[in-house]
Amino acid sequence: GEDVEQSLFLSVREGDSSVINCTYTDSSSTYLYWYKQEPGAGLQLLTYIFSNMDMKQDQRLTVLLNKKDKHLSLRIADTQTGDSAIYFCAESIDTNAGKSTFGDGTTLTVKP
Amino acid sequence: NAGVTQTPKFQVLKTGQSMTLQCAQDMNHNSMYWYRQDPGMGLRLIYYSASEGTTDKGEVPNGYNVSRLNKREFSLRLESAAPSQTSVYFCASIRTGGYTGELFFGEGSRLTVL
Repeated sequence: GEDVEQSLFLSVREGDSSVINCTYTDSSSTYLYWYKQEPGAGLQLLTYIFSNMDMKQDQRLTVLLNKKDKHLSLRIADTQTGDSAIYFCAESIDTNAGKSTFGDGTTLTVKP
Repeated sequence: NAGVTQTPKFQVLKTGQSMTLQCAQDMNHNSMYWYRQDPGMGLRLIYYSASEGTTDKGEVPNGYNVSRLNKREFSLRLESAAPSQTSVYFCASIRTGGYTGELFFGEGSRLTVL
């Protein structure tokens, strides 16, 4: 079945860039998502990319997709302490994100 | 804007007890979902309801039942709780039609089964 892999932890200094990586196995993935989960809260969609795109930029966020290697990354520029959270990668094969396969999450710690 | 509301936020049960987690959304979304999140893991889909009156199994449905009471409400029931069901449960909803990428999540219900 589908699988989504992420590294578990990332620590950066405030003001640096953060890069969170994700790999997935399902070659028919159509949509790829990044969610942010703050302590005690539910997941919140940060951004998404269609499989026919290789890059998407949204303010401080840049998503890169290498479809050949099934590799997705999320770059956060000028990382702030408020960016400390767990970031989940997810993929779905159709337009219904509710049945996405989620990665285990990357805990980002931003040190002042 | 309430969004997706879950109750209770915390619950402790003894093995064999039953309980129902409630979820309500005020965004007029058609589809609703129940997930569980175990420590260090991503979300796994338990059950979902594509529209009022329909429910379907997800990846990990065993030990759970659901009811889509109306368009707003989708409840998750544990008939005989087991320690393996200790988890954080999230309800989510999504509109359908067109691009449906944005799931809206509740704040979660933390369940401990002793």
